[in-house]
Parts: sequence; C-alpha cells; structure tokens
Amino acid sequence: QVQLQESGPQLVKSSETLSLTCTVSGDSVSSYYWSWIRQPPGKGLEWIGYIYYNGGTMYNPSLKSRLTMSVDTSRNQFSLKLTSVTAADTAVYYCAIYNRDPSKYSLDYWGPGTLVTVSS
Amino acid sequence: DILLTQSPSSVSASVGDRVTITCRASQGFNTWLAWFQQKPGKAPKPLIYATSSRQSGVPSRFSGRGSGTEFILTISSLQPEDFATYYCQQSKSFPLTFGGGTKVEIK
Repeated sequence: QVQLQESGPQLVKSSETLSLTCTVSGDSVSSYYWSWIRQPPGKGLEWIGYIYYNGGTMYNPSLKSRLTMSVDTSRNQFSLKLTSVTAADTAVYYCAIYNRDPSKYSLDYWGPGTLVTVSS
Repeated sequence: DILLTQSPSSVSASVGDRVTITCRASQGFNTWLAWFQQKPGKAPKPLIYATSSRQSGVPSRFSGRGSGTEFILTISSLQPEDFATYYCQQSKSFPLTFGGGTKVEIK
C-alpha cells in the first residue's frame, strides 16, 4: 500500500518561501502524477498542482507565478516551493497521488497533511 | 474554472437516515466527478470516483450518480462513523476544483 508523508517548516515568515517535501513509500515516484492540495483552517480544499516523474507539471493558474514543483526519483520524493507567502497561504498542505488512468482520474491516496502557518 | 456548488452546506440527520448531497457544476460534464469524506484533523478519504464507482473498501451504503451539471452522493443508511464533511471534486478540466463541502451532523 502506498503511503505519503509531508514534511517541512511549520512556520514561515511573510514574504519568504514555503518549502515542503512529500516522501513516498510503497511505490515509486516514477508512477502516477504527484499532486499538492491545501486547506486553510476551517475552509475548503484548493488544488495546487501536480508533477509527473519526468518533470512535467500542471499548476493552478491562481498560484502559478509563485509556484515550483520538483521530483527527486533517487529519494522517492517530490517537493513544493511557494514564494512570497502571505497570511492567505496559511493552510494544511496535503500531498496526494493523482491517478490519470482514463478509467479513474482520481486523487487516490493522500498524506496526513502538515499545517503551515505564515507569520508576520 | 469549473465552479462546484454543494447543497446543503450542512445537514442534521440520525443514524439510519438516508442522506442526499447535491453537487452542481458551472459547466456540464459526464463522468469525472469524485466524492471525499473528511473528519476533523484528518486528510480527505476518497469515496467515489468517475461519478459512481466506489473506491476499494468503501461500504455499499455510499453511492454516486449524476451527469451534466448535477451530481448526487447518497448515504442509504447513515452510520455513526459517517458523521463528517463531504466534498465533491471535478477532474473534467484544469485546475481541478472542489465543492465547498457539506457537513453531516448528528441530529
């Protein structure tokens, strides 16, 4: 069974860069599409984007100008960097598998999430 | 972007009740609608994909249907562990988007 685990600083200062890593176990990052989703406290879910193992990406246009995703196949990890953060970027950040099999197109497995707070 | 509007935003129900949640899309599509269940402090759990297919291990009391701009999640007989918030999500086009959520509360 594939498992995902987010890691990174829980507190980031306003205007700085938020960096998170998702470590995958039980499968290879050279499969699937690897996605990030976030959820501000008490609010709904927002899809951030995904990266494929070959480096191909699809980003949410609302975040695209500040966003970079990368994948490290040797460590079985993928990462997220979001620049120039503000309080609006405070959220629980989840990594997830996006299954692009034509019979599914589904976010099948999720990490437990990590709360990142942006402080002034 | 495809906007997904869920109704109701919250519902109070008793164990054994039938609960129906509606997800309306700003643009029509036929298949790529998923449903998730989220409990406080936990990641969303996938329930349904491709409108009506249950994820592995999901009880048969959960069912999904719909097409066009209206999609429905039904819980046929509510169980104590079903009290949670439910979200719909579309994969018809990017960016992927989610509905605002429906909280199922104990009556």
